[in-house]
Amino acid sequence: KNEVEQSPQNLTAQEGEFITINCSYSVGISALHWLQQHPGGGIVSLFMLSSGKKKHGRLIATINIQEKHSSLHITASHPRDSAVYICAVRHMDSNYQLIWGAGTKLIIKP
Amino acid sequence: KAGVTQTPRYLIKTRGQQVTLSCSPISGHRSVSWYQQTPGQGLQFLFEYFSETQRNKGNFPGRFSGRQFSNSRSEMNVSTLELGDSALYLCASSFLGNFIGLASPLHFGNGTRLTVT
Repeated sequence: KNEVEQSPQNLTAQEGEFITINCSYSVGISALHWLQQHPGGGIVSLFMLSSGKKKHGRLIATINIQEKHSSLHITASHPRDSAVYICAVRHMDSNYQLIWGAGTKLIIKP
Repeated sequence: KAGVTQTPRYLIKTRGQQVTLSCSPISGHRSVSWYQQTPGQGLQFLFEYFSETQRNKGNFPGRFSGRQFSNSRSEMNVSTLELGDSALYLCASSFLGNFIGLASPLHFGNGTRLTVT
């Protein structure tokens, strides 16, 4: 079993829909990162969380430390949100190594 | 502030050769990590350096090595190249202060696309 699991693996939605991408982890962490990679593009850091909730524009990230779970939400989704969303955690018991999820490929149709 | 700079952007090598890739982090960042990304695959962690010391290493053969200099610039080297080494190699930097566990955002470079023929 992977230490960081993302779901769904692929997600296709219509423009305007509310999107949720999940990340579950099984290790102790000091922080969780959400990143975005557009096709053929670079990787951009969206959020870094150690507790609670953060919001940036239409993006919201939450983390529940007790349940070892984080969600990334996109409100009023737009085709330009189409990208791969990646979750990564800093593993406290492994010299703070970054452990990466496999990514969620999101396609927003106009 | 300049972003993370990776050089070269593209590289073509033949099997058996060796290659060195460079990563200049954002000024003040002391942590540099390296990743391999192949088509359809997620990020595969290679290694992470903090203040010139390798802190973590992924599951790659010994042909893959790296180092970090006192100015935080990092290089990775792949010796005896194989066709399967063709990939996008990405580096990321972050400011971790004096404690690597202290979280800070990751900043990625645009990568070096290596093609082995």
